[in-house]
Formats: sequence, C-alpha cells, structure tokens
Amino acid sequence: QVQLVQSGAEVKRPGASVRVSCKASGYSFTYYAIHWVRQAPGQSLEWMGWINAGNGKTRYSQKFQGRVTITRDTSASTVYMDLSSLRSEDTAVYYCAREQELDTGHFDYWGQGILVTVAS
Amino acid sequence: DIVMTQSPDSLAVSLGERATINCKSSQRVFSSSNNKNYLAWYQQKPGQPPRLLLYWASTRESGVPDRFSGSGSGTDFTLTISSLQAEDVAVYYCQQYFNTPLTFGPGTKVDIK
Repeated sequence: QVQLVQSGAEVKRPGASVRVSCKASGYSFTYYAIHWVRQAPGQSLEWMGWINAGNGKTRYSQKFQGRVTITRDTSASTVYMDLSSLRSEDTAVYYCAREQELDTGHFDYWGQGILVTVAS
Repeated sequence: DIVMTQSPDSLAVSLGERATINCKSSQRVFSSSNNKNYLAWYQQKPGQPPRLLLYWASTRESGVPDRFSGSGSGTDFTLTISSLQAEDVAVYYCQQYFNTPLTFGPGTKVDIK
C-alpha cells in the first residue's frame, strides 16, 4: 500500500533551518511528484512547492522562493524539504503529499505531517 | 494568485440530512483544452492529514462513499453530503490546481446538530 512517512517533530530557533524528510513506499517513486503543504495552527492549508521525483524538476511558491529547497534521493525513495531563515510564523504542521497523476496538482496520499515549532 | 473562498464558515446538520458547502474561485479554473475544472475537495479530521474526496470538481476518489458529490464549473462549485453521517464531522477544503501557486479555501467546519 502507498505510504508517505515523514520524519519527527522539530523545534528550531528563529533564523535556523530545518530539513523534513518524506519516505515513500508502495509505488514507483519516480513516476510521481511530491508536494509540500503546510498548515499553521488553526489555519487552512498552504502550498509550498513540488518536485517531480523522476527528473528532479522543482517549482516553488513565490512566497517561499529563496527560502525553500526540495530535493529527492531516488535510491532511498525519499523527498526532502529544507526551509531556511525560520521565523515564528513558520510554526506549522508540514505535510508531504503525492500528486495523483503527474502535472495534475491534486493529492491522493499524504504523509502524517510533522510539527515544526519555531521559538526562541 | 487564485483566491479561494468558501461558505459557510461552519454548519451544523442533523444526522441523515443534507450538507452543502460552496466554494468560489477568483478566476475561472476551467480548461477548455480538456473540458475539466481544476478543483478538488478534501476532508480533514482533527490530528489527521487531509483526505482527497473529489477531483476534477466531480470525480469521486476511490473508496469515498457516494453520499459525497461535487458540482459546478468555472468559478462556482459545491460539495454536497447527501445524508450526513457521524463520521463526516470534519473540516472540508476546496483547492484549485489550475495555476501555481496551488491554493486552498479557508475551510468549512461541519458538525452534527
């Protein structure tokens, strides 16, 4: 069965960086894209960017351009999301999600989500 | 960016009754090249990730009960739960995937009256 398993919760200081991983299993990793979506406490969902796991092509929301980097390791079927220059407003649950079909943009499987807390 | 709005913010419906949620996009999310609306609906329960219910505005995801249906085109869309069950208590989000950045509505909370 398809699974996306994310790394554990993180607590970071303002100005620091965080790396979140998303390990995929149960399907052909390189045939799909993985997106990152975050959700601040009590808020809606916010799209951050995506990676085509096959060719490594990425696209980021302008809001996070310059601060976010999404990469993948095909040998480990894992996608990574790095977010730098953290501020308190980045406190949120971060989800990875699989695009149901390449170049569609809706998500059929989600990771469990991990809470990143930014606090001094 | 395409802004998504939803109404109402919350609603309470009796068990077995119909629940209707509206979603509006600030621009059309319909593509005439493939005749599809780039609109999805998700359900999210507390402490869980979102679950895909519908995509292309009205195509039900595998395993989703047929009491969930979607309609609409262009800029105005509706999610209908035909007969509310206790397990449907959740927040529902619409999402457009016509353009990046992909954007979500603010959510509608559904509860039991």
